[in-house]
Amino acid sequence: QSALTQPPSASGTPGQRVTISCSGSTSNIGTNAVLWYQQFPGTAPKLLIFKTSQRPSGVPDRFSGSKSGASASLTISGLQSEDEADYHCAAWDDGLNGRVFGGGTKLTVL
Amino acid sequence: QVQLQESGPGLVKPAQTLSLTCNVSGDSIASGDYYWSWIRQPPGTGLEWIGHVFDTGSTYYNPSLESRVTISVDTSKNRFSLKLRSVTAADTAFYYCVRESNPPTWGRGMLVSVSS
Repeated sequence: QSALTQPPSASGTPGQRVTISCSGSTSNIGTNAVLWYQQFPGTAPKLLIFKTSQRPSGVPDRFSGSKSGASASLTISGLQSEDEADYHCAAWDDGLNGRVFGGGTKLTVL
Repeated sequence: QVQLQESGPGLVKPAQTLSLTCNVSGDSIASGDYYWSWIRQPPGTGLEWIGHVFDTGSTYYNPSLESRVTISVDTSKNRFSLKLRSVTAADTAFYYCVRESNPPTWGRGMLVSVSS
């Protein structure tokens, strides 16, 4: 069982706006920055968002991150077919003194 | 640009010890600027933090694995290592080494299968 809770699946049609949630606790998301990863089958996770809302160079601005309290969200605006992938949230946990992850959300573009 | 590369056996027998090394280039572990982690992902499931090490050799482990895990660092060779003892099929996973910077940098990962 993952320390962070994500919905197992999400879906949307091209052009839509989709939001994926990630719920944690005061010891992780409530206190620390959130990261989001995108993962295609057979490949390593690719960083989409760090420091809760910052995008690494090369990540389209269609991807945005935010948090409120102990919950975080990844929003994809203008959904594209190539966005179909697994998305993972992560945060540092002060109690664990380590990284915790969500179970991942499989995004389907209909 | 920093690069991390995992290496080690891709197949381990049950009850034996899984041993992996992460070679770091483009940065010096001895600088003490970051900590260095191991993360794994069983096929088709989510990610799991295994533990991390500092340049001093100080470590933190996931309590669920702590009794079987040792992470060590060799600053002279600019690499850090993972040992996981008494493995079972449940330890079959992609193993990644990570520099915990902002943003973090991951190795490409490698699949380690536990099978007789």
